[in-house]
Amino acid sequence: QKEVEQNSGPLSVPEGAIASLNCTYSDRGSQSFFWYRQYSGKSPELIMFIYSNGDKEDGRFTAQLNKASQYVSLLIRDSQPSDSATYLCAGGRRDDMRFGAGTRLTVKP
Amino acid sequence: EPEVTQTPSHQVTQMGQEVILRCVPISNHLYFYWYRQILGQKVEFLVSFYNNEISEKSEIFDDQFSVERPDGSNFTLKIRSTKLEDSAMYFCASIGESPLHFGNGTRLTVT
Repeated sequence: QKEVEQNSGPLSVPEGAIASLNCTYSDRGSQSFFWYRQYSGKSPELIMFIYSNGDKEDGRFTAQLNKASQYVSLLIRDSQPSDSATYLCAGGRRDDMRFGAGTRLTVKP
Repeated sequence: EPEVTQTPSHQVTQMGQEVILRCVPISNHLYFYWYRQILGQKVEFLVSFYNNEISEKSEIFDDQFSVERPDGSNFTLKIRSTKLEDSAMYFCASIGESPLHFGNGTRLTVT
């Protein structure tokens, strides 16, 4: 069974703090990993993608991938109230991309 | 920036009726997907399509579902005889050199 698991949340952090979102996956053949933000009733919006082991930074966001541990994470630095949303982790092969259940993040002013 | 386009945005149908959900993926993308999200639940993989055939499908994608790429641009999901539990948001997505991009979704309501 190909599964992507996310830490259950919900997660609440104060404004300016670092939010840490975690995800594990079961399929060792997974090659591509994505983080999406989703607002209620809307489609997932791509935030970051990562294909290689290590860290990838884009502004306030850092994605981390560890294929040996089958683990991918997203760090949001200097969290803002506008970052409040559900964050979805996705990973897998090109023809089979699975999603985690999502982590609801609230950033409190 | 190119985007994935889905129509209609909302479809209401009666139980037992057939529905066709339509998608236009990003033009140079090679893999196409359908996902389902029941209200308040996770995004569930239904099927992927590559080189004009189904590449992978989940246990959800049973004989009631079919996909087709009738021409060079459209990608459709057909549900043959809708059930109440088919009510959900259906998202089309595509991937190529650029990452997995989603359409805005079709909200299917089965009454």
